[in-house]
Amino acid sequence: EIVLTQSPGTLSLSPGERATLSCRASQSVSSNYLAWYQQKPGQAPRLLIYGASSRATGIPDRFSGSGSGTDFTLTISRLEPEDFAVYYCQQYGSSFAFGPGTKVDIK
Amino acid sequence: EVQLVQSGAEVKKPGESLKISCKGSGYSFTSSWIGWVRQMPGKGLEWMGIIYPGDSDTRYSPSFQGQVTFSADKSISTAYLQWSSLKASDTATYYCARVGSGLGSWGQGTLVTVSS
Repeated sequence: EIVLTQSPGTLSLSPGERATLSCRASQSVSSNYLAWYQQKPGQAPRLLIYGASSRATGIPDRFSGSGSGTDFTLTISRLEPEDFAVYYCQQYGSSFAFGPGTKVDIK
Repeated sequence: EVQLVQSGAEVKKPGESLKISCKGSGYSFTSSWIGWVRQMPGKGLEWMGIIYPGDSDTRYSPSFQGQVTFSADKSISTAYLQWSSLKASDTATYYCARVGSGLGSWGQGTLVTVSS
């Protein structure tokens, strides 16, 4: 069973800054089946990135995903006020599993 | 437009049974897996498992095997998550989601509260 870890646990940044979130897998994620989700309080998660680097429909291009194998990154190029939320990675290549999440809050 | 609409919030006592629902529309319900995700209060997302409504094939996460049951009624495009005997630790929001390249469409969540 693949275990995902995310770092940092909390990222405190200001609007306009760049956010870099990390997701590491305990073993290689097959076919880079790695997704990223955004969740705001009281809302269901929203798919941002799938296949490690493909943006989901309607996702702004300030969100980008990269990585392969066991190391993946979600980058938000310039934080907008609506981007402050919790972000989860998920692998869906070998069964499914979520990481513990990274909270991006306002500095 | 793909939509998943879940049943409303529930308040139950320990030991009671419960079945919550997730109705799909805007796509071929029998041709996509549906996943279930638990989120306990103030915590992260936990993968529970998946069901294929076309033939009701189910795969449970080891943590939830034997604790819950997935089912589906393809005639009404609805998937179900049920418990035979609830515990206080089942208190959580439960989401259904359509499985594709990631989980692209989610239900709004069903809050289940188990308290004596």
